Amino acid sequence: EIVMTQSPATLSVSPGERATLSCRASQSVSSNLAWYQQKPGQAPRLLMYGASTRATGIPARFSGSGSGTEFTLTISSLQSEDFAVYYCQQYKNWPPYTFGQGTKLEIK
Amino acid sequence: QVQLAESGGGVVQPGGSLRLSCGASGFTFSNYGMHWVRQAPGKGLEWVAVVWHDGGSKYYADSVKGRFTISRDNSRNTLSLQMNSLRVEDTAVYYCARDLHSQYFDYWGQGSLVTVSS
Repeated sequence: EIVMTQSPATLSVSPGERATLSCRASQSVSSNLAWYQQKPGQAPRLLMYGASTRATGIPARFSGSGSGTEFTLTISSLQSEDFAVYYCQQYKNWPPYTFGQGTKLEIK
Repeated sequence: QVQLAESGGGVVQPGGSLRLSCGASGFTFSNYGMHWVRQAPGKGLEWVAVVWHDGGSKYYADSVKGRFTISRDNSRNTLSLQMNSLRVEDTAVYYCARDLHSQYFDYWGQGSLVTVSS
């Protein structure tokens, strides 16, 4: 089973600033990585797939990078609606599909 | 537009059974794999099970294997999860999610809460 590890657990950033979230895989997943955003009381929403392709309707301030075992989600200029929990997920080797434990992005 | 709606959650005693359903609309249901993903209170996401578009293959997380059964009815655009021998640690919000090419989950339902408690 591929273990996904996200860091940091909590990230405090001011609106308008840049946020950088990290995700590491226990073995290479190539570019088979997705990112999701989840707000309180809501279902997760797909942000990114293929490590760097934005899903439909996702603003350009969201970008993804990386391959192999190291990945990054960057939000270039934080808006109020971006404060949420973010999860990475690998789909290289399954089952099981595995998620990171999440990074909570909070307002500084 | 794509819509997924779970139902069937509730409170059940340990060792009991429950059946969740997920109704789909806005897309050709029979063209997509479908998953169940759960989230324990205050915790992260855990994949539970997948069924391929034609129901021909099914896979489960080790934590539910032998207790849960995923199924689908393409004539009724419905996904199901039969949960038997429920444990306290199965308490979670259960989401159904659409799969694109056995990869990522592009649409999610709003979730159904299952509470296992005596």
